[in-house]
Amino acid sequence: AAGVIQSPRHLIKEKRETATLKCYPIPRHDTVYWYQQGPGQDPQFLISFYEKMQSDKGSIPDRFSAQQFSDYHSELNMSSLELGDSALYFCASSLGQGREQFFGPGTRLTVL
Amino acid sequence: AQSVAQPEDQVNVAEGNPLTVKCTYSVSGNPYLFWYVQYPNRGLQFLLKYITGDNLVKGSYGFEAEFNKSQTSFHLKKPSALVSDSALYFCAVRAAGSGNTPLVFGKGTRLSVIA
Repeated sequence: AAGVIQSPRHLIKEKRETATLKCYPIPRHDTVYWYQQGPGQDPQFLISFYEKMQSDKGSIPDRFSAQQFSDYHSELNMSSLELGDSALYFCASSLGQGREQFFGPGTRLTVL
Repeated sequence: AQSVAQPEDQVNVAEGNPLTVKCTYSVSGNPYLFWYVQYPNRGLQFLLKYITGDNLVKGSYGFEAEFNKSQTSFHLKKPSALVSDSALYFCAVRAAGSGNTPLVFGKGTRLSVIA
């Protein structure tokens, strides 16, 4: 069965650079969530989209923005990167609101 | 506000013995409860969920969990542990009927199954 796809899987950036992370949900899933998992930490919710509209917002810094496109894929844009942004970024998708979320493999971002 | 507590950072169990990974939650109203497993450098894999109905939920890989409303708990169990079960386990909660609210995760419990 198709799963959530995230790209790239690994990304290395310098401080103050920008990064774009992509998420392709499971086909027919209309809801996308972004989570950040720091080293040794639990996943923290950043932002979510339902039917291409932002549906909820968590601890996402102002330097980050995201959107969901007409094909339901989502991109997380990160600017002015800081060392503390180094983490594993997960995307999850669900079919409709309130259903179980299926997670992608994550993008490991390292900021040097 | 929703919250999840996993009181044990680490659980060690011998292969073949039963295992329990504890989880308690706090949520306004009825909860939707989930368990995920994370292997090293991998994403989160869904194990099982409680939405409504039978308090004993059976999931993937022989795992099960029991919803206890009075104790606000959702402990993960398996009758006979395997070395391959060694991983990081996360309990998560969201409030029922709250639309598209995201999951709130516990801090995770590292399970180590010793041969």
